[in-house]
Amino acid sequence: DAKTTQPPSMDCAEGRAANLPCNHSTISGNEYVYWYRQIHSQGPQYIIHGLKNNETNEMASLIITEDRKSSTLILPHATLRDTAVYYCIVDFTGTASKLTFGTGTRLQVTL
Amino acid sequence: NAGVTQTPKFRVLKTGQSMTLLCAQDMNHEYMYWYRQDPGMGLRLIHYSVGEGTTAKGEVPDGYNVSRLKKQNFLLGLESAAPSQTSVYFCASGRKYEQYFGPGTRLTVT
Repeated sequence: DAKTTQPPSMDCAEGRAANLPCNHSTISGNEYVYWYRQIHSQGPQYIIHGLKNNETNEMASLIITEDRKSSTLILPHATLRDTAVYYCIVDFTGTASKLTFGTGTRLQVTL
Repeated sequence: NAGVTQTPKFRVLKTGQSMTLLCAQDMNHEYMYWYRQDPGMGLRLIHYSVGEGTTAKGEVPDGYNVSRLKKQNFLLGLESAAPSQTSVYFCASGRKYEQYFGPGTRLTVT
């Protein structure tokens, strides 16, 4: 069974915030939420991760609901270079994160 | 600082042939991974390693073997290639929460 549900595609105007939702209603207490993206056919790129609290780094913000059943990745000022497939992944991180990638959300940033 | 490099970038094999894909990282990471990505799909974990001399199976390990003799290198072997192994193979290295991916190897088995 899929651990996460994401919309298959989204559009965003350049300069606007891109809000990418992810549903993970079966997440357990020790599982983290990760976000990666894959630009064209390159290797995926780590964006951010979180457990309970909201997180922010130089790339994005991660908002996790209080019940942890969903989250939103926010790219505050999307640019054309942010056009990519975005993957939301839930994983228990023991010694190493063993990620299971679904099909993600294809974000198209337009002028 | 090259990050994660993969050799070769492209390869065509005939069914039954063998080959080894090489992954190298210069970030002194303990963890290394091999994934495959089929058209229109996400990545699936083949094997991974939590340190030099260790390996473990991922989601789709059948038909592949791996070795981690040196901390900086992680080798993926196909002993007898099959058309179902046609895919793009990505290597990654990382710390506990972050993985850094290589550029991929595009393998076609005819």
